[in-house]
Amino acid sequence: EAGVVQSPRYKIIEKKQPVAFWCNPISGHNTLYWYRQNLGQGPELLIRYENEEAVDDSQLPKDRFSAERLKGVDSTLKIQPAELGDSAVYLCASSPQGTTLYEQYFGPGTRLTVT
Amino acid sequence: RKEVEQDPGPFNVPEGATVAFNCTYSNSASQSFFWYRQDCRKEPKLLMSVYSSGNEDGRFTAQLNRASQYISLLIRDSKLSDSATYLCVVILNTGGFKTIFGAGTRLFVKA
Repeated sequence: EAGVVQSPRYKIIEKKQPVAFWCNPISGHNTLYWYRQNLGQGPELLIRYENEEAVDDSQLPKDRFSAERLKGVDSTLKIQPAELGDSAVYLCASSPQGTTLYEQYFGPGTRLTVT
Repeated sequence: RKEVEQDPGPFNVPEGATVAFNCTYSNSASQSFFWYRQDCRKEPKLLMSVYSSGNEDGRFTAQLNRASQYISLLIRDSKLSDSATYLCVVILNTGGFKTIFGAGTRLFVKA
C-alpha cells in the first residue's frame, strides 16, 4: 500500500515569493494534517481536515498561509509571500476518519529554504 | 510553559544500556498519548501508544501517570538502531481534538 505522498521534496525560494506544497494521503484516510517542523523541534500542527472540511486551523498563519482540500483527497498548502522564518520541513500526515486518537502516518515532508 | 515538555537531550548511552525518557503535559484535558520515533531527516513514525495501565512492546515499555501528568518510555538493552529522536505526543480533547508534539529527545547509542 502506498504511503503518504508529498511533493516537492525540496524547495528553495527567495523571500517574498510564493510556494505551494502538495500532499496525497493514504487511500481511504479521510483525516489529513499539515505540520511544520523547525530544526530541533517537534512538528507543529498547522491545519487538520476531516474530508474537505478544515476542522482545526487555529495555528495556521492566515495572513500568508492558505490550504485547500477540495475533493477531500489530496491537499495543497500555500505560502504567499514567503518569509525567511518560514524555512522548515512541512509534513503532511493522514489517518482514518474518526480516529484522531490513533496513529498518524506521515509523508517524507517538503524541506523549504527561504533565502 | 509549553503544553508538552520532554527531557532535554541528547542521551548518549552504550549498547545494552537501559534508558528512560520522561514527558510532562500541562493540560488535564489530555486524552491520548503516544511515543513516535523520528530518524534523522526522516518523517515521524509511531513507536507505541501509551495506555493507562502501562504497556510493553519487546524492549520498550510505556507508562502513564495521570495524577502527575507525565508519561515515560523505557528502552532496555539498547541497540545501535535505537539511535533516533523520540517524540512525545499528546491528544487534547477540548471540544475538538488537537495533536501536540513535544520537542523530542535525541538518543545516541554507541558501540
